[in-house]
Amino acid sequence: DTGVSQDPRHKITKRGQNVTFRCDPISEHNRLYWYRQTLGQGPEFLTYFQNEAQLEKSRLLSDRFSAERPKGSFSTLEIQRTEQGDSAMYLCASSSPDGSDYNEQFFGPGTRLTVL
Amino acid sequence: AQTVTQSQPEMSVQEAETVTLSCTYDTSESDYYLFWYKQPPSRQMILVIRQEAYKQQNATENRFSVNFQKAAKSFSLKISDSQLGDAAMYFCALSNFGNEKLTFGTGTRLTIIP
Repeated sequence: DTGVSQDPRHKITKRGQNVTFRCDPISEHNRLYWYRQTLGQGPEFLTYFQNEAQLEKSRLLSDRFSAERPKGSFSTLEIQRTEQGDSAMYLCASSSPDGSDYNEQFFGPGTRLTVL
Repeated sequence: AQTVTQSQPEMSVQEAETVTLSCTYDTSESDYYLFWYKQPPSRQMILVIRQEAYKQQNATENRFSVNFQKAAKSFSLKISDSQLGDAAMYFCALSNFGNEKLTFGTGTRLTIIP
């Protein structure tokens, strides 16, 4: 198992274009999280899936953002009509319940989005 | 809403010395977890250490230890015998019991001086 992977690692797009990012969690991890990290800030929670169900969405996730996890495995995050303020690192993390009271989140390397 | 504050944007320490990174937080929950994450340059974030709020004993992981002051809502990280590989951004984070989403601070960039 190679850990959480994200694709692409870098994306440059023009304002107004749509972009889609993919996250592949660690095998058999049923929980998947998306965070956004802007320059000089810590990551901010965007949304969370348990299996294929999207259980929580942050107010940061505007109508232009949509996330899916259709088969409970990989997830996609789409941004429509990108704006310069969307430029950030998008991080994915996964976890799996192991019977303990907390399940560690394992992070991917992130997708760095630059909107020109 | 819960918040995490890291007031030291940058810190530096001589190799083999000890450094302490500060973190304060605010939450209305009584059961929660606190974390320190390490984000090396161009590499993924990894968990350094975790503290359960209900535990009075401070967590320790090899050269890393915390000073958890629940009443003061303070959670500092001490790195002993600093090594070059410790150079990274360090983020303090909080999650509530039963909800694993993390609230992060703004980070402290740690430089190790050879």
